[in-house]
Amino acid sequence: GQQVMQIPQYQHVQEGEDFTTYCNSSTTLSNIQWYKQRPGGHPVFLIQLVKSGEVKKQKRLTFQFGEAKKNSSLHITATQTTDVGTYFCAGRTSNTGKLIFGQGTTLQVKP
Amino acid sequence: GAVVSQHPSRVICKSGTSVKIECRSLDFQATTMFWYRQFPKQSLMLMATSNEGSKATYEQGVEKDKFLINHASLTLSTLTVTSAHPEDSSFYICSARTPGLVQETQYFGPGTRLLVL
Repeated sequence: GQQVMQIPQYQHVQEGEDFTTYCNSSTTLSNIQWYKQRPGGHPVFLIQLVKSGEVKKQKRLTFQFGEAKKNSSLHITATQTTDVGTYFCAGRTSNTGKLIFGQGTTLQVKP
Repeated sequence: GAVVSQHPSRVICKSGTSVKIECRSLDFQATTMFWYRQFPKQSLMLMATSNEGSKATYEQGVEKDKFLINHASLTLSTLTVTSAHPEDSSFYICSARTPGLVQETQYFGPGTRLLVL
């Protein structure tokens, strides 16, 4: 079945360093979404990418969707302690309409 | 953005009892709602897709007789965990899909933490 792989599983960075998480799908996606989940909380929608090669920015966060619409990345510039949490990508295929989540990348930021 | 609520937020029950979890879309009508389960330090696993007025579609490996889903209205879906056992202890999260948009978005409820003793 459809799989969405996300790496790395964990990342510890010093405050001010950059962070990137990568997401790869076994099938072509109609869109990909990114969520952030704080410890003890629920996933919060960050952004959706639809177009091939699309790049979107939200302040220090940069989201990319690959040309083949099978991979995506989230890059955080100059991390802050408020960036701590688990970042999930979730891909949707056009044929099923289901949103399949990656395993998540848990980010720890040392002050 | 759209708001999805869940009730209860936390529940502790004895093994063998049934627990009902409600998911409501507060400011929009959701023709489709999804139920996910998340074990500690793991990702969200889709359990079933709930469509208003029709039977839910369950993912492979999810027992439909154990996890009863009812989507009686455009703003309410319920998940009932029947004869709960300790291994059913988990974080159950619903989400609702905004209808009628080219770029659909799913909004998640705050989740329900179930502990079965």
